[in-house]
Amino acid sequence: DADVTQTPRNRITKTGKRIMLECSQTKGHDRMYWYRQDPGLGLRLIYYSFDVKDINKGEISDGYSVSRQAQAKFSLSLESAIPNQTALYFCATSELGTEAFFGQGTRLTVV
Amino acid sequence: QQQVKQSPQSLIVQKGGISIINCAYENTAFDYFPWYQQFPGKGPALLIAIRPDVSEKKEGRFTISFNKSAKQFSLHIMDSQPGDSATYFCAALSGSARQLTFGSGTQLTVLP
Repeated sequence: DADVTQTPRNRITKTGKRIMLECSQTKGHDRMYWYRQDPGLGLRLIYYSFDVKDINKGEISDGYSVSRQAQAKFSLSLESAIPNQTALYFCATSELGTEAFFGQGTRLTVV
Repeated sequence: QQQVKQSPQSLIVQKGGISIINCAYENTAFDYFPWYQQFPGKGPALLIAIRPDVSEKKEGRFTISFNKSAKQFSLHIMDSQPGDSATYFCAALSGSARQLTFGSGTQLTVLP
């Protein structure tokens, strides 16, 4: 089993719909991150959390929200999806902030 | 504002050749510089990393060269193999938040 698991792996949704991407990890790390990957732009940080009570905005948090339900679970929500949120989304964990361990990604398409 | 600039965007190399990917940064607070490798359908994975007090780090066929004064670092892949075909991201880490800032990525293709 993967150490960092993202669900769903693929999702197509309509403009205006609410959608949640889920991430769970078995590495026991406190730090969890959500990134967005777009061609030519690399990975950009959306939100990060250092523990259940600590949530921080990243570079591109507008239009997104997160919930840290437990040490092992960190979900990303799009309250009202729009087409320019079509992207590949990655969850990652880290113990000390140096090496990040990524999930396999969720490919989201907003039509 | 992209704090880590990566080039080239794509690179095609013959098997056995040397692949070179370059990155430049602006923030002098960065104190850790990793490279990540991503295969299609997978998440990025740490390949090799360097701290700014070292000018070079080598692991097998992969070498990072670091120039602190120029604020540049590069990844060299010696004897490139078709299995090295992937997207490579440079990154930089700074501050108490320990956030990774990624470059835009380089898609490497090694021809057999």
